[in-house]
Amino acid sequence: QVQLQESGPGLVKPSETLSLTCTVSGGSISNYYWSWIRQAPGKGLEWMGYMYPTGSTNYSPSLKSRVTMSLDTSKNLFSVRLRSVTAADTATYYCARCRHGGACYSWDYWGQGTLVTVSS
Amino acid sequence: DIHLTQSPSSLSASVGDSVTITCRASQSFTRYLNWYQQKPGKAPKLLIYAASSLESGVPSRFSGSGSGTDFTLTISNLQPEDFATYYCQQSFNTPFTFGPGTTVDLK
Repeated sequence: QVQLQESGPGLVKPSETLSLTCTVSGGSISNYYWSWIRQAPGKGLEWMGYMYPTGSTNYSPSLKSRVTMSLDTSKNLFSVRLRSVTAADTATYYCARCRHGGACYSWDYWGQGTLVTVSS
Repeated sequence: DIHLTQSPSSLSASVGDSVTITCRASQSFTRYLNWYQQKPGKAPKLLIYAASSLESGVPSRFSGSGSGTDFTLTISNLQPEDFATYYCQQSFNTPFTFGPGTTVDLK
């Protein structure tokens, strides 16, 4: 059974960089696309982008200038960095596996989510 | 960006009822519409992908249909564990977008 677990600081100061890691167990991260999706408190879901182990990425235009995703296939880790954060980046961040091996259309496995608060 | 709207935004129902949630897209496409269920404090769960395909392990009382700009999620014989928020999501093009959600609560 594939399991995803997000980890990282729960509090980040404004203007700093948010860094989160998703540890994938029960399966290899190879051959799948992986996404980060976030949800501000009490709000809806926002797709941040996806990445494939070849290095191919697709970021949401609203975040493209500030976000970087990376994959470590040797450690089965998927990471995200979001630069220059503001209070608007306060959200629960989820990592998720794209359901289809060759493309990303939906997400079948999700982490439990980690709340990141941006505050001084 | 493709904008998704959902109606109703909330509904109250009883166990055993059948409910239908509608998702409308700002542009037309086929199949690339998915439905998720989210309970408080939990990650979303994929219910329906490609508009009408039931995800493995999801009860058959959940069904999806539609194409073009109008899609529906129907829950037949509502069960206590179905009270939750439901989101549609399009994967026709990026940026992938979600609807604002429909909350189903107990009447």
